[in-house]
Amino acid sequence: DADVTQTPRNRITKTGKRIMLECSQTKGHDRMYWYRQDPGLGLRLIYYSFDVKDINKGEISDGYSVSRQAQAKFSLSLESAIPNQTALYFCATSDLRTGGRDTQYFGPGTRLTVL
Amino acid sequence: AQSVAQPEDQVNVAEGNPLTVKCTYSVSGNPYLFWYVQYPNRGLQFLLKYITGDNLVKGSYGFEAEFNKSQTSFHLKKPSALVSDSALYFCAVRDYTDKLIFGTGTRLQVFP
Repeated sequence: DADVTQTPRNRITKTGKRIMLECSQTKGHDRMYWYRQDPGLGLRLIYYSFDVKDINKGEISDGYSVSRQAQAKFSLSLESAIPNQTALYFCATSDLRTGGRDTQYFGPGTRLTVL
Repeated sequence: AQSVAQPEDQVNVAEGNPLTVKCTYSVSGNPYLFWYVQYPNRGLQFLLKYITGDNLVKGSYGFEAEFNKSQTSFHLKKPSALVSDSALYFCAVRDYTDKLIFGTGTRLQVFP
């Protein structure tokens, strides 16, 4: 969905480096999510935010942190990247107010490789 | 805890034949169930959802899903497969805190 953008789209980094993945949305949604996708494991939730002042850990938050800078921006950081964080990362949004709270809209993904 | 299972890693079907991608769920209370599709190098796209009402739910691109409470299943179906339907399909269930729990995905391959 073009209304949810992620930068960068691809990133190769080295073990121990700090990495930030950024997500922006123009949908005006209040809820934002970060997932990682690994082959055979599906999507697993890392962090989620139901509004700017609300940040919650997901299923696999260890080694990650997030920042909700504004309603439209939600960043994911890897403070010290390790090889098993190599994965495809997705940002998603949803909106309680329009009644579409159950439908999430995904960005195109960031492919991260940690060497 | 809410969960979904997709028992098939891959489904192969010939173009023009009907297709089924299977999903079973485990929930306490009424299930809110979803199907998403992921095309190569793209994010997930919403296909359809079951909240309440008719057991047969129609969605995008000619897909439909049948909710079966007694079998705790929510299988995705299409009467006539297209090569362009080849993609990765995810079943998901909404948990009590409004988060989605995804299955492991099923790769659909439609052969010409």
